[in-house]
Amino acid sequence: GAGVSQSPSNKVTEKGKDVELRCDPISGHTALYWYRQSLGQGLEFLIYFQGNSAPDKSGLPSDRFSAERTGGSVSTLTIQRTQQEDSAVYLCASSLRGHTEAFFGQGTRLTVV
Amino acid sequence: AQKITQTQPGMFVQEKEAVTLDCTYDTSDPSYGLFWYKQPSSGEMIFLIYQGSYDQQNATEGRYSLNFQKARKSANLVISASQLGDSAMYFCAMREGQYSGAGSYQLTFGKGTKLSVIP
Repeated sequence: GAGVSQSPSNKVTEKGKDVELRCDPISGHTALYWYRQSLGQGLEFLIYFQGNSAPDKSGLPSDRFSAERTGGSVSTLTIQRTQQEDSAVYLCASSLRGHTEAFFGQGTRLTVV
Repeated sequence: AQKITQTQPGMFVQEKEAVTLDCTYDTSDPSYGLFWYKQPSSGEMIFLIYQGSYDQQNATEGRYSLNFQKARKSANLVISASQLGDSAMYFCAMREGQYSGAGSYQLTFGKGTKLSVIP
């Protein structure tokens, strides 16, 4: 597709369940970012992938959060044993390394009940 | 220490007037890029304008311009002739290692400024 695609757009899950969020970046973009945005707040960096390099996981809030990127393209963010404080919009972005802006997907709104 | 600081949680501007949204940044990397994004109530992040640390001139994109003062580490966004559709959250962001490829290449955002345009 032409833009960054995220799925699902909305997810409601019960506390304690695991969830998987998917990001399909723009074709050819080597850099991929995951961010979390809580209601009315700024963007909190979670993880960054660049090509085949080891990802920058410095923003993951706990070991319940993990992410992978297969084949340098699609990425999956997994949250295990979800908690209510995990409720937020999870945004994915991709960019060309060394170039300008990052393009964002529409986000996945996660609600933990 | 915060890498991106936006000191104005909220701003009001009269329609057709100009408005300046403040952004200061902190980095020791000489190679960096500065970005502004707009987030309307619908939630999508829309790229507005970019300034590289080695760019000699201030960036402009239509009604948007970036007042880049490198020595003061500020990158204020100026919106001229405000329109009702400009009402949104505005985020300043920085990427270190923009040219050198060094560093984590992380894109760090400020907390945002909510702009409200008054008819």
